Amino acid sequence: QSVLTQPPSASGTPGQRVTISCSGDSSNIGSNTVNWYLQLPGTAPQLLIYSNNQRPSGVPDRFSGSKSGTSASLAISGLQSEDEADYYCAAWDDSLKEVFGGGTKLTVL
Amino acid sequence: QVQLQESGPGLVKPSETLSLTCTVSGDSFSTFYWSWIRQPPGKGLEWIGYIYYSGSTNYNPSLKSRVTISIDTSKNQFSLKLSSVTAADTAVYYCARMRGREFDSWGQGALVTVSS
Repeated sequence: QSVLTQPPSASGTPGQRVTISCSGDSSNIGSNTVNWYLQLPGTAPQLLIYSNNQRPSGVPDRFSGSKSGTSASLAISGLQSEDEADYYCAAWDDSLKEVFGGGTKLTVL
Repeated sequence: QVQLQESGPGLVKPSETLSLTCTVSGDSFSTFYWSWIRQPPGKGLEWIGYIYYSGSTNYNPSLKSRVTISIDTSKNQFSLKLSSVTAADTAVYYCARMRGREFDSWGQGALVTVSS
């Protein structure tokens, strides 16, 4: 069981806005920044959002992140078929380890 | 553009030691933390540990008794050893660079199967 809680699945139609939640506690999200990773089928994860809401170079501004208290969210606007993938949240935990969410499989209908 | 590549045996027998090496190219090896992360088939990600270029380490408490991560700065490589493996250690093992608190570059992954 993962330390951070994500919904196992999410879906949307092309052009729609979708949000994925990530819930933790005071020892991880509540006191540290959140990162999001995208994993396309059969490939390695790649950094999507870091420090709660920062996009690495090359990531479209359709992707945005936010954090409030012990929860974080990833929003994808203007959903596209190529966004179909697994999304993971992650944060440092004060028990001295990096923790991940269980992942959310996004389906574009 | 930094590149990371995992290498090592794809099959390990139960109770033996899993060994993987990550070779880094294309960017400075120093001043970064270097990490190992694994993903069992069909499951989520698990952080194993990291090593700083100076050699200091930090391991996931759940794996700490079986994990050793080492570094060879002369070869731009860092390595993972996981002892006393069982079928539960079957996974794709990724090496990754940590910039700040995020993993900003990943290797393609290496599938390691634990089986007799």
